[in-house]
Amino acid sequence: DAGITQSPRHKVTETGTPVTLRCHQTENHRYMYWYRQDPGHGLRLIHYSYGVKDTDKGEVSDGYSVSRSKTEDFLLTLESATSSQTSVYFCAISEPDRGGEQYFGPGTRLTVT
Amino acid sequence: KQEVTQIPAALSVPEGENLVLNCSFTDSAIYNLQWFRQDPGKGLTSLLLIQSSQREQTSGRLNASLDKSSGRSTLYIAASQPGDSATYLCAVRGAFQTGANNLFFGTGTRLTVIP
Repeated sequence: DAGITQSPRHKVTETGTPVTLRCHQTENHRYMYWYRQDPGHGLRLIHYSYGVKDTDKGEVSDGYSVSRSKTEDFLLTLESATSSQTSVYFCAISEPDRGGEQYFGPGTRLTVT
Repeated sequence: KQEVTQIPAALSVPEGENLVLNCSFTDSAIYNLQWFRQDPGKGLTSLLLIQSSQREQTSGRLNASLDKSSGRSTLYIAASQPGDSATYLCAVRGAFQTGANNLFFGTGTRLTVIP
């Protein structure tokens, strides 16, 4: 399972509240990603990181921010949650220069009411 | 932008049947292609990774092929079992992506194997 955990696994929150999701990996992978999965859409990239304090935006980054202060942790923050951010969020890791296979965490199901 | 399509969206087969899942992509300049399995309410499990220079990869009863020029990949499952029931996702990484190296996903084929 590539040593990836996500927390919390489930969360219900109210519109307008901030929410932080955590991704933790144990194998010192350089690249980490946050995707969201919605019915009718493939997984879409929100943000990614290519090292400590090195992050950048993905396809659907509006309303989200990220931080990576340690190699093992990649945090996704919804600054003011909206109902359109109800989704399943997946964290992934890869080593692009070594084949580039991506491995995914178990996901966090977030409901914004 | 790379578009990935998987048809059909759902497929039911009797146990023991061999089957093929299809994936097509619009930009043939890919770095690699990855097949995943997703069980309901679960994360994605990587099944096979095919690099752009390869034509196929095999793992047990699974065989994935890649035809870059036509923008297609297939996942062949031999002697299907009820435990193969899941959603199968195809994803590609572009050859000339800068920065993200992220995958572009199809919406999946939901497979049901009937005992």
